[in-house]
Amino acid sequence: AQSVTQPDIHITVSEGASLELRCNYSYGATPYLFWYVQSPGQGLQLLLKYFSGDTLVQGIKGFEAEFKRSQSSFNLRKPSVHWSDAAEYFCAVGAGGGADGLTFGKGTHLIIQP
Amino acid sequence: EPEVTQTPSHQVTQMGQEVILRCVPISNHLYFYWYRQILGQKVEFLVSFYNNEISEKSEIFDDQFSVERPDGSNFTLKIRSTKLEDSAMYFCATMSGGAINEQFFGPGTRLTVL
Repeated sequence: AQSVTQPDIHITVSEGASLELRCNYSYGATPYLFWYVQSPGQGLQLLLKYFSGDTLVQGIKGFEAEFKRSQSSFNLRKPSVHWSDAAEYFCAVGAGGGADGLTFGKGTHLIIQP
Repeated sequence: EPEVTQTPSHQVTQMGQEVILRCVPISNHLYFYWYRQILGQKVEFLVSFYNNEISEKSEIFDDQFSVERPDGSNFTLKIRSTKLEDSAMYFCATMSGGAINEQFFGPGTRLTVL
């Protein structure tokens, strides 16, 4: 069965510092990987996705993620965080087909220190 | 920009009562999904719906749950006899179609069962 692990429940980063959020997945076939962000009271917004090709993918809001098959990881990075980046971040894996639901990790709560 | 909407934003109900959660998908989207997130836990897939029938469902989606598109626009999730453990945030998501695509999430409905 597929699963996603986000080992960090909370992360605190100073504004302007770099960020890396970890995600490890378990999936039997070629994974389709996603990072979503959820601000308080809001729905889930897609930051970026990986389906195939270049293992370094660029997303919105200056985020990027790198797919490493050998490590079963899909870590999210940002070189310089802004206070508005404070939110809950979810990594998810799917089969890519229309009928398939996504499997989410438990999320990482990002706190930005001034 | 088109978005998925959900009503109500918050629903409070008594145990044993029926509730209907509503979602308005993005126009021309073909795939519809329901997810739930119990407080402090991960987002979990419930069901996917395509061409007016259920495509996939998780083991959470038991006989107490049902989905339909009653008027060709709204997409609803019905819980026949709510239990305390049904208290959660319920997210609707829609996707335009094709083998690989992005699921767009609504803001969610917070269901509280007393």
